[in-house]
This record gives sequence, C-alpha cells and structure tokens, in this order.
Amino acid sequence: KNEVEQSPQNLTAQEGEFITINCSYSVGISALHWLQQHPGGGIVSLFMLSSGKKKHGRLIATINIQEKHSSLHITASHPRDSAVYICAVRGLYGGATNKLIFGTGTLLAVQP
Amino acid sequence: NAGVTQTPKFQVLKTGQSMTLQCAQDMNHEYMSWYRQDPGMGLRLIHYSVGAGITDQGEVPNGYNVSRSTTEDFPLRLLSAAPSQTSVYFCASRAGQIGYTFGSGTRLTVV
Repeated sequence: KNEVEQSPQNLTAQEGEFITINCSYSVGISALHWLQQHPGGGIVSLFMLSSGKKKHGRLIATINIQEKHSSLHITASHPRDSAVYICAVRGLYGGATNKLIFGTGTLLAVQP
Repeated sequence: NAGVTQTPKFQVLKTGQSMTLQCAQDMNHEYMSWYRQDPGMGLRLIHYSVGAGITDQGEVPNGYNVSRSTTEDFPLRLLSAAPSQTSVYFCASRAGQIGYTFGSGTRLTVV
C-alpha cells in the first residue's frame, strides 16, 4: 500500500462545478504539499499545509492531522484548471523531514 | 526571473554514456533535490542536499551521483546510462517553511 493515496485518479467536470480531490496518508508528517502539473509542463507548488485551511483565489486546501487526510477544492472550475494535481507529504522526524513522498496524482479535465 | 533553471530540456543518450543534468537556483535556498517522474509511479526522490557540501540519498539513488559545491548549483550525474533511466527529471529547491520551487524538467531518453 502506498504511503500517500489520492482519489479519484481521474476526474472530469463541467465548467463551473465545485471539485474536490482527496489525499490520505499513513505516516506522521511535518507538512503536506499540493502541486499542480499541466500536461507536458512543469510543476507548480499550490499549498503547503501543516494544519487547518488555506485559500488562494478559487483554490482551497484543508488538512485534518488526526485523520491523516487532506482535500483540495476548486470552486467555479474552469478549463484552465485542467491539470494533474499531486499530493506530497514530508516526514515528521530527522531525515524524513527532508524527503517528499508523492501520491500518483489526480488527472482533472474541466470541459467547457 | 528568480527560480530554478534546469538544462538541458531534452536529451537522448546511448546506453553506457554518461551525462550531467544541470540545476541552478538564484533564491539562496539551502535545500535542493532531484526527482524522477515515471508514468504510473509518480515522482520519486533521487538525491537531496540541505546545504553546500551536504548531500544524501533519496528513494531511488542507484546509478546517479550528486555534489553541492555551491548554494546555487546541484548537478545530477548519470554515470553509465541505462534504458531504465529514461524518465522526466525535475530539480526543486526550498527554503524553510516555504513551498517548493520546481525547475521545468529534463526529458531524458536512453536508447
């Protein structure tokens, strides 16, 4: 079993829909990161979370440390949001704090 | 523009050849790292560095070598390329509690 699991693996939405991508992890963490990768493109860091909730524009990220779960929400989705969204966690102690463990990503397609 | 610069963007190697993937950042970040991205596997950490002169292994270090002589540069060396090293490689840097900054990637094919 992977230490970081994302769901769903693939998601198709209509423009304007509210989207939720989930990330569950099985290890203690010092931080959780949400990343965005457009097809054939580079990787952009969206959020770094260690507790609570963060918002940036139409994107909202939440984390529940006790339940080892995080969600990424996109409000009023747009075709330009089409990308792979990747969850990654950093370990809690010693050298593990310097290592990212990645989920395999969620491929989002937003149709006009 | 500040950021992480990777070169080259594309490379084709023959089995057994060696090469160096370059990574440079101008943000004075202490932490730098290399990842490979393979279909169905996600991103995996190859090597990382927490400062000049300090490097350590990640999840998949075999066949790769790194050094960190300056804060700015963190090259990744393939000692003897193998088809299994065909992948997309990303370099990233981080400072403290700020998120990661990734380079644009190097697409490597080993034939």
